[in-house]
Amino acid sequence: QVQLQESGPGLVKPSETLALTCNVSGDSISDYYWNWIRQPPGKGLEWIGDIYYSGATNYNPSLKRRVTISIDTSKNQVSLKVISMTAADTAVYYCARRSYAYLRGLGYYAMDVWGPGTTVTVSS
Amino acid sequence: DIQMTQSPSSLSASIGDRVTIACRASQSISKFLVWYQVKPGKAPKLLIYAASTLQSGAPSRFGGSGSGTDFTLTISSLQPEDLATYYCQQSYNFPWTFGQGTEVEIK
Repeated sequence: QVQLQESGPGLVKPSETLALTCNVSGDSISDYYWNWIRQPPGKGLEWIGDIYYSGATNYNPSLKRRVTISIDTSKNQVSLKVISMTAADTAVYYCARRSYAYLRGLGYYAMDVWGPGTTVTVSS
Repeated sequence: DIQMTQSPSSLSASIGDRVTIACRASQSISKFLVWYQVKPGKAPKLLIYAASTLQSGAPSRFGGSGSGTDFTLTISSLQPEDLATYYCQQSYNFPWTFGQGTEVEIK
């Protein structure tokens, strides 16, 4: 079955750029949207954005100015870059697959497979 | 953005109890509502999509209902492994948004 694994630096300095990778194993990266979501300590989940295997992206407007999501189909990897990191970006970062179901004449999306997450702390 | 509000923020119940979590959207989202279970250090798990459809592999004691702006997640008989935080999420339009979460504790 498909498995996702996030990786990257656990510690980033303020103003620096965060680069995370999500490795997808057990299935092809094609034909799906791949999402990034984060959870700051003691807070809820925040959707960052997603990317289709074609390279088409959707971003949360609250982060769009600082975020880039990219995909490498040859490596089955999805990447996230966040520039100008601050303490407010300290969070567990998850990648997740978006699946599609056709029900009652309508299409429904949900994130059906998630990675375990990677903790990123912003501190000098 | 569509605001999602969950209640209660936390609850404590006994094994075997019926547990209900509410989720309200700031505008109508039809049945574009998803429920997730999140445990510390583990990959979040999809429970319910399309407001009431049980995800393959999710225990049948989980059920979802509602449409428009008001939705409910029900655990028919609480089990020890249900200790977790539960989030609703709207998939009606971007940006996808989540409720603030409901922490379920076992008495």
